[in-house]
Amino acid sequence: RKEVEQDPGPFNVPEGATVAFNCTYSNSASQSFFWYRQDCRKEPKLLMSVYSSGNEDGRFTAQLNRASQYISLLIRDSKLSDSATYLCVVNRGGTYKYIFGTGTRLKVLA
Amino acid sequence: GAGVSQSPSNKVTEKGKDVELRCDPISGHTALYWYRQSLGQGLEFLIYFQGNSAPDKSGLPSDRFSAERTGGSVSTLTIQRTQQEDSAVYLCASTPGQGGDTQYFGPGTRLTVL
Repeated sequence: RKEVEQDPGPFNVPEGATVAFNCTYSNSASQSFFWYRQDCRKEPKLLMSVYSSGNEDGRFTAQLNRASQYISLLIRDSKLSDSATYLCVVNRGGTYKYIFGTGTRLKVLA
Repeated sequence: GAGVSQSPSNKVTEKGKDVELRCDPISGHTALYWYRQSLGQGLEFLIYFQGNSAPDKSGLPSDRFSAERTGGSVSTLTIQRTQQEDSAVYLCASTPGQGGDTQYFGPGTRLTVL
């Protein structure tokens, strides 16, 4: 079992839809969590960090569920420009180790 | 300010040749990482540098791979006697140094071994 797991998708959604991704992690010592966005043939870029209390940035909302060991990303009012791969990243207990999920591919359709 | 930079952006080489990939981290960032991403795959950890400490080389796939970081800043990843399976995008990232910090990635070097 991988330490960080994501549904690879693709998730094909129409413009304006709401879509949610989950990411599960197996190491209970994990402390920091991130969502990155990666466009085709580009480097990963930070979308948002995930805080224990949950956090929102515009149309994007991230949640952390420590009891069930997963994080989620909700995208409201999807735009064509949201089409990308979304990477879940988990940091082990404040160490330097970052574990990357393989990503969830989102396609927003006109 | 300037982000992480990498060079070259693309490198095409013949099997058996050596290549050097360069990474310039964000100024002041003490931690530097190298990752490899093959087509359609996730990021594979290669090596980690933190300040003057001994690097964590546990992710290097073979002894053909080596890396160094001079003066706690610029890093070079060297692949000797390249093989076709080395073809991938090599990504460098840096963090300020505290565990759990956000990683900032460079644009990567796309390596193609013919």
